[in-house]
Amino acid sequence: DTGVSQNPRHKITKRGQNVTFRCDPISEHNRLYWYRQTLGQGPEFLTYFQNEAQLEKSRLLSDRFSAERPKGSFSTLEIQRTEQGDSAMYLCASSQNEEYGYTFGSGTRLTVV
Amino acid sequence: SQKIEQNSEALNIQEGKTATLTCNYTNYSPAYLQWYRQDPGRGPVFLLLIRENEKEKRKERLKVTFDTTLKQSLFHITASQPADSATYLCALAQARRALTFGSGTRLQVQP
Repeated sequence: DTGVSQNPRHKITKRGQNVTFRCDPISEHNRLYWYRQTLGQGPEFLTYFQNEAQLEKSRLLSDRFSAERPKGSFSTLEIQRTEQGDSAMYLCASSQNEEYGYTFGSGTRLTVV
Repeated sequence: SQKIEQNSEALNIQEGKTATLTCNYTNYSPAYLQWYRQDPGRGPVFLLLIRENEKEKRKERLKVTFDTTLKQSLFHITASQPADSATYLCALAQARRALTFGSGTRLQVQP
């Protein structure tokens, strides 16, 4: 297993366009998380799945953001009608057991112009 | 509201010394606390977990303490090396909830 994989690594989009990111977690991990990080800040929680069930979603998350994890394997994060404030690094992580922490991917860097 | 505070100023130390980083939290009753290392352009990497009923945890040159009365965790790196230079993130979670991260402290170890 090569760890958590995120695609694409970089995405530049025009304001108002929709974007979708993909995350492939470690296969035996049943929990999957999405975070957003801007320069000089820590990762900000967006949403969390256990298998295919979305168990937690940040109250800060606009309804322009939606995430899915069909069949409890890979996950997608979609941002509709992007705004410049959406520019950030989007990080995906997976875990099996809190004792071993989260394994993060390298992230997708989104730039909205 | 819940708050996690880490020193926003970078910590500069000499190689071989012990680095001590602080994580303070308010309005929070975490079940456990974790520390992560993050290098520029990369995702965070898990280092250590300590639970609310534990006072101290060690792993090689790393030591974490957790004081739920003071609402504080200290993270120590002994015999620090230039390769330890990175940003260190503190993160807390309640049971069955996702982690909430602090903003991190950048450590610079000078040779």
